[in-house]
Amino acid sequence: NAGVTQTPKFQVLKTGQSMTLQCAQDMNHEYMSWYRQDPGMGLRLIHYSVGAGITDQGEVPNGYNVSRSTTEDFPLRLLSAAPSQTSVYFCASSYRGYSGNTIYFGEGSWLTVV
Amino acid sequence: QQQVKQSPQSLIVQKGGISIINCAYENTAFDYFPWYQQFPGKGPALLIAIRPDVSEKKEGRFTISFNKSAKQFSLHIMDSQPGDSATYFCAASPRGATDSWGKLQFGAGTQVVVTP
Repeated sequence: NAGVTQTPKFQVLKTGQSMTLQCAQDMNHEYMSWYRQDPGMGLRLIHYSVGAGITDQGEVPNGYNVSRSTTEDFPLRLLSAAPSQTSVYFCASSYRGYSGNTIYFGEGSWLTVV
Repeated sequence: QQQVKQSPQSLIVQKGGISIINCAYENTAFDYFPWYQQFPGKGPALLIAIRPDVSEKKEGRFTISFNKSAKQFSLHIMDSQPGDSATYFCAASPRGATDSWGKLQFGAGTQVVVTP
């Protein structure tokens, strides 16, 4: 059982380049989200989706795009990478419903923008 | 501005000792308070969680204490073991069967080191 799978694990980008972080889950979860983790700041929500075709912004959405064409996949696109986007990115998923559903995280994608 | 404030940033405890991590929040709409454990190079994993209708929840060596009036909650790790060395995050999310429930607000994290 793979759970939440993120690729790539590591990536170095030049300023201005674009790229997509892939996320897939095999638990048939409706809810998926992307967080970034920075030292001293915990994890902050970038974008989330409550089902295929539905996405919304989180706390720090600027510079990122998402789409949700299937239940399984939730890619995160960096449109024009900036050094401030150097971070560790985590994808997460859960059953939708009420507060208290366990949210499962992937293993992270380490992104460096030079 | 972080909605969940976590302290301390780091702590060192001897094997067999008690680790205590504290969190405070302001938003009274929060009604779910999980703790996540994260090992280096891995994603956070749910450790234990509590709802505000109880003041304490215990799972093995891990206990959450919750003080609704003070808007504070804490994690106690009893009989700390070297394998508990990790970063711990408290979090909170708002109530309701709406789209807002999954929006976890995380504390900044506490790095716990348990010495042999």
